Amino acid sequence: AQTVTQSQPEMSVQEAETVTLSCTYDTSESDYYLFWYKQPPSRQMILVIRQEAYKQQNATENRFSVNFQKAAKSFSLKISDSQLGDAAMYFCAYRSPINDYKLSFGAGTTVTVRA
Amino acid sequence: EAQVTQNPRYLITVTGKKLTVTCSQNMNHEYMSWYRQDPGLGLRQIYYSMNVEVTDKGDVPEGYKVSRKEKRNFPLILESPSPNQTSLYFCASSFRGATEAFFGQGTRLTVV
Repeated sequence: AQTVTQSQPEMSVQEAETVTLSCTYDTSESDYYLFWYKQPPSRQMILVIRQEAYKQQNATENRFSVNFQKAAKSFSLKISDSQLGDAAMYFCAYRSPINDYKLSFGAGTTVTVRA
Repeated sequence: EAQVTQNPRYLITVTGKKLTVTCSQNMNHEYMSWYRQDPGLGLRQIYYSMNVEVTDKGDVPEGYKVSRKEKRNFPLILESPSPNQTSLYFCASSFRGATEAFFGQGTRLTVV
């Protein structure tokens, strides 16, 4: 079974600054998908960014980018130019191409943005 | 609008009183799942369904039941709720092989 570890329960960032959330995972598969989800106080699960393991290029979505290190099994999320609306819980998730009915989630990181 | 709809959004119940949380999707997705979210544990899969009449246990199935009689609906049944089932519950759906899952709005369940 795949395990996903987020070692930072909470992170705080000043508005307009950059924050990086860490995520590591354990798998024996060579092909898989990784995701970062945002959960604001409304509880809605919002997909922020996805990465296919076979792609070496790091995914980017506007102010959100990832640093995908396949050999190290690391998948960090960088939020640049942080905004008040970025305050939320962020979850890292893994999906196997074989067991594609399931997402394996980390414990989550709560991001606070200081004005 | 493409969506996954859960009801109710909030529920307070007493130990042992059977309840059902409904989930419906309008995207013709084959896959549907239930997850529970607990502090420090993230989201964990309870049950999943790969199509009509095809369901199987996830990682934490004890105390829960599901059914998939229609493709769009996937209700979660707690026949005898206990306080340790107090949690935030999410329904999710996706196409087979898709890279994105769609989540419902969540159901906050409290069992007293």
